[in-house]
Order: sequence, then C-alpha cells, then structure tokens
Amino acid sequence: GIQVEQSPPDLILQEGANSTLRCNFSDSVNNLQWFHQNPWGQLINLFYIPSGTKQNGRLSATTVATERYSLLYISSSQTTDSGVYFCAVGPRGTYKYIFGTGTRLKVLA
Amino acid sequence: DTGVSQNPRHKITKRGQNVTFRCDPISEHNRLYWYRQTLGQGPEFLTYFQNEAQLEKSRLLSDRFSAERPKGSFSTLEIQRTEQGDSAMYLCASSGLGQLGGPQHFGDGTRLSIL
Repeated sequence: GIQVEQSPPDLILQEGANSTLRCNFSDSVNNLQWFHQNPWGQLINLFYIPSGTKQNGRLSATTVATERYSLLYISSSQTTDSGVYFCAVGPRGTYKYIFGTGTRLKVLA
Repeated sequence: DTGVSQNPRHKITKRGQNVTFRCDPISEHNRLYWYRQTLGQGPEFLTYFQNEAQLEKSRLLSDRFSAERPKGSFSTLEIQRTEQGDSAMYLCASSGLGQLGGPQHFGDGTRLSIL
C-alpha cells in the first residue's frame, strides 16, 4: 500500500520562528489534507490541498502531485501552534485516508 | 454546519464488556468514515460508508467490531468482548459527495479505556 512519510519527526522552535514541514507519498493520490492535532486530541483541518498552493494567515501549503510531496509552511510561530501535524492522503480508487507519521511541534515562549 | 458530533467523549469499561459509540456527521454529507488512533500514532482507517452502504473495511476491523449506518445518517461502532488492545481514540469523519471525495471533517473522537 501507499507509504506516507513526514519530516522532521520532531521540531522545537522559539516563538516567532518559521518552519517547513514535509510530506512524501509513494503513489498517486486523489486527496491530500493537512491537520493539526491539538493537545486535547482534536484534529483541526488546516488545508485540503490535492494540488497547488493555498494560504491561510500565517500558514500556507503547497502540493506538487507529480513529484509526490506536500509542504506546510508555518510563519511567525506561536505557542498555540504546538501539537502534532499530520498529512493524510487519499489513494486513487478509494475514499479512505492514509495518515503520515506526523511531525510533533513544540513552540517555546 | 454544526460539525461532526461523537458520543460519548470518554468511555471506561472492563475487559470483556461491549461498547457502542455514535457518530452524527455533517447533515449534508453522504460519506462517513471511522478511524482508530493509538497513543503516539496517526489515525488508522477502519471502515467507510456511502449513505447506508458499508463500502470498505480494513483488516483492522476484526469480527468483534461492527459498524452500521442504518438510514444513511448517524452511524454506530460496536466493539464486543473488549480487550486491552482496544484502548484508543475512535474518530469519525464525514465528507460530501464530490467525485474525488473532498475534504474530510473529523469529530472530537471517543476515547476508550479498557481496565
């Protein structure tokens, strides 16, 4: 089955720093979403981005489907950005999602 | 849009008991998904419904697990004869009928603890 790898696995930043999270997937996909899982376990939808570039405030994302990767950019990080960031992909021929291994982010004040 | 609702939020039970969780999807969404998340891992797919039809099941869904969506609206996930390894967060998601599925919207989950 499709493999979804995220890097880095762990990231510690000072408040105000910028970061780039990467998601690589091993096969073509129909869907791709980025989620933030907060300390209470809630999965917050950040972007639905099977291709192209989107921006929402301090966050932006780019997916290059032909090269099988997606990037999530966080600028001017805040302590509330802490948590785990998941990339989830929907393989072709199915509607289910396969989640990546996650990036655990901690932003220090 | 009231979001995906899951009940209960927490469930503590003894090994061997049966448990049932409920998921109410976003009202206009026809697709409904169940995932399981264990500590330190990403969510793993369990099963998927389109309207009332269960169209895909993971091999993770053992014989002790059963899911229903009787009228194509809310769904239930039942675990019979619970085991220690069933302790996890059970997440429900829903999406619209777009050809490629579209974004999935997740509920807050039901956290199951087996004593």
